[in-house]
Amino acid sequence: EPEVTQTPSHQVTQMGQEVILRCVPISNHLYFYWYRQILGQKVEFLVSFYNNEISEKSEIFDDQFSVERPDGSNFTLKIRSTKLEDSAMYFCASRETGATRVTQYFGPGTRLLVL
Amino acid sequence: AQRVTQPEKLLSVFKGAPVELKCNYSYSGSPELFWYVQYSRQRLQLLLRHISRESIKGFTADLNKGETSFHLKKPFAQEEDSAMYYCALPGGGNTGKLIFGQGTTLQVKP
Repeated sequence: EPEVTQTPSHQVTQMGQEVILRCVPISNHLYFYWYRQILGQKVEFLVSFYNNEISEKSEIFDDQFSVERPDGSNFTLKIRSTKLEDSAMYFCASRETGATRVTQYFGPGTRLLVL
Repeated sequence: AQRVTQPEKLLSVFKGAPVELKCNYSYSGSPELFWYVQYSRQRLQLLLRHISRESIKGFTADLNKGETSFHLKKPFAQEEDSAMYYCALPGGGNTGKLIFGQGTTLQVKP
């Protein structure tokens, strides 16, 4: 069964550095998402992406964040200048269509630690 | 606003005991609700959704609109059910985003 993949699995960075988290959604999927989970807290929506543009973003997704689909397979989340509070697990997800009855598939996550 | 509440952070039961993981929601309109499970070191995966009314791995969940609940139940817990369970619903709009509850860790003891 096809799966969403994410790299790296773990990333440690210094505060103020830029990080890029990578995701490869399932190949025929059209809707892409990033979520994050701070340790001990709930999974929170960050951004959704469709047709090569952001379709919705949360309050968390400020100017430090950006997303891109640089080619036909990758979907990236960039944090320009990381802060300590960006330390979290970041999940990528994809679905075939926007219909909520269609299953959303999650990647294994990237654990980001900002020092 | 859409909201999901899972009141228990941890539920610990013995193997063979019944399990009920609680989920309450706040949603304007007719909700769709989901349960996702995350086994140790694995990804979030869909366990079941209320629309399909199916039973997966012995788990069932009934949508109770009067009580705004979607509790997850299993009559006889197995050790392999130990995992983190998240209740979720659509976040509104047409982007398909999900709103998650805090999650409940189910620990099934031998």
